[in-house]
Amino acid sequence: GQQVMQIPQYQHVQEGEDFTTYCNSSTTLSNIQWYKQRPGGHPVFLIQLVKSGEVKKQKRLTFQFGEAKKNSSLHITATQTTDVGTYFCAGGWGGTASKLTFGTGTRLQVTL
Amino acid sequence: SQTIHQWPATLVQPVGSPLSLECTVEGTSNPNLYWYRQAAGRGLQLLFYSVGIGQISSEVPQNLSASRPQDRQFILSSKKLLLSDSGFYLCAWMTGGGYGYTFGSGTRLTVV
Repeated sequence: GQQVMQIPQYQHVQEGEDFTTYCNSSTTLSNIQWYKQRPGGHPVFLIQLVKSGEVKKQKRLTFQFGEAKKNSSLHITATQTTDVGTYFCAGGWGGTASKLTFGTGTRLQVTL
Repeated sequence: SQTIHQWPATLVQPVGSPLSLECTVEGTSNPNLYWYRQAAGRGLQLLFYSVGIGQISSEVPQNLSASRPQDRQFILSSKKLLLSDSGFYLCAWMTGGGYGYTFGSGTRLTVV
């Protein structure tokens, strides 16, 4: 089946450091979405990328979609303690069902 | 406004007992609905999805079943729970318009 791999599994940074998580699909995606899950909470939608080479920014967060639409990254500049949580990418291959296959997630811990 | 309700929030059930988790969506019609399961510290696994009343697609053979008796109601069931059914169960609907999935607050199921 379609798989989406995500690395690293865990990262611990000091506040102010940058953070990047990478996502890779075995096949070409129709779109990729990113979600954040706070400890004890449910995933919350962050953004969707659909175009080859697309780059989107949300304040300190930068999202990229690869030229081949098989990989993506999320970069956080100058992390804050509020960034703590698990970040998931989710790959979509189109279709009326709009199913998503989630990556394994990257758990981010930020300390002062 | 569009909201998604999921209950109960937590559940402890003995092995062999039945299960019924309910999810309802408000403020939209004919939504695509999904059930995901998240094992402790792991990613999200798609269990079932539905594109309309009575239409259920299963992604993973398992001890669970799903039903959609009404347009905005999605139910996850089991006749006899196994220890391996423990996890965090999340209902979601496809918000559309490039806004990804909206997840319910989830049910933490512990089978003892």
